[in-house]
Amino acid sequence: AQTVTQSQPEMSVQEAETVTLSCTYDTSESDYYLFWYKQPPSRQMILVIRQEAYKQQNATENRFSVNFQKAAKSFSLKISDSQLGDAAMYFCAYRFTYNNNDMRFGAGTRLTVKP
Amino acid sequence: DTAVSQTPKYLVTQMGNDKSIKCEQNLGHDTMYWYKQDSKKFLKIMFSYNNKELIINETVPNRFSPKSPDKAHLNLHINSLELGDSAVYFCASSQATGFEAFFGQGTRLTVV
Repeated sequence: AQTVTQSQPEMSVQEAETVTLSCTYDTSESDYYLFWYKQPPSRQMILVIRQEAYKQQNATENRFSVNFQKAAKSFSLKISDSQLGDAAMYFCAYRFTYNNNDMRFGAGTRLTVKP
Repeated sequence: DTAVSQTPKYLVTQMGNDKSIKCEQNLGHDTMYWYKQDSKKFLKIMFSYNNKELIINETVPNRFSPKSPDKAHLNLHINSLELGDSAVYFCASSQATGFEAFFGQGTRLTVV
């Protein structure tokens, strides 16, 4: 079974600084997708970024970028120029390409942004 | 327009009661999910449906019964509610293999 591990229960960053959230996963598949979701206090789950495993290039969305290391099964999220509104729970998620019904989440990292 | 909507957003009920949570998506997706988020924020998949067919049924007590009348709706019925059922329940949908899931706003269920 696929598992997703987020080893940092909590992280803190100063406003305008950069922070990296870690995620590792376990799979025997070669084709899959990885995601980072943000859950602010409103509890709405918001997609931050998506990475296809077959793409070597790391995904980027404005201030958010990933470091995808397929061989190491690592998928970290870097937030640059952190803003107060970035404070939230961040979840890493895995989805196997050929089983469109199985999307697994890590335990989450709570990010605090200090002014 | 809300893409994935769940009702109610909050539900407080007594132990032993039966309750339902409704979910509808207007995105035309084929796949719908129910997730449970516990007090530690851990998100666990409960059920998944594809075109009204049950695909994933995790280790969930049989007091929980999903029902999908059509591919735009996936409701969750819970019988004989217990204190441990208190959590936030999320409905989600997705289009096809590899695409992200879109989530509803969640239903906070409190069993007293």
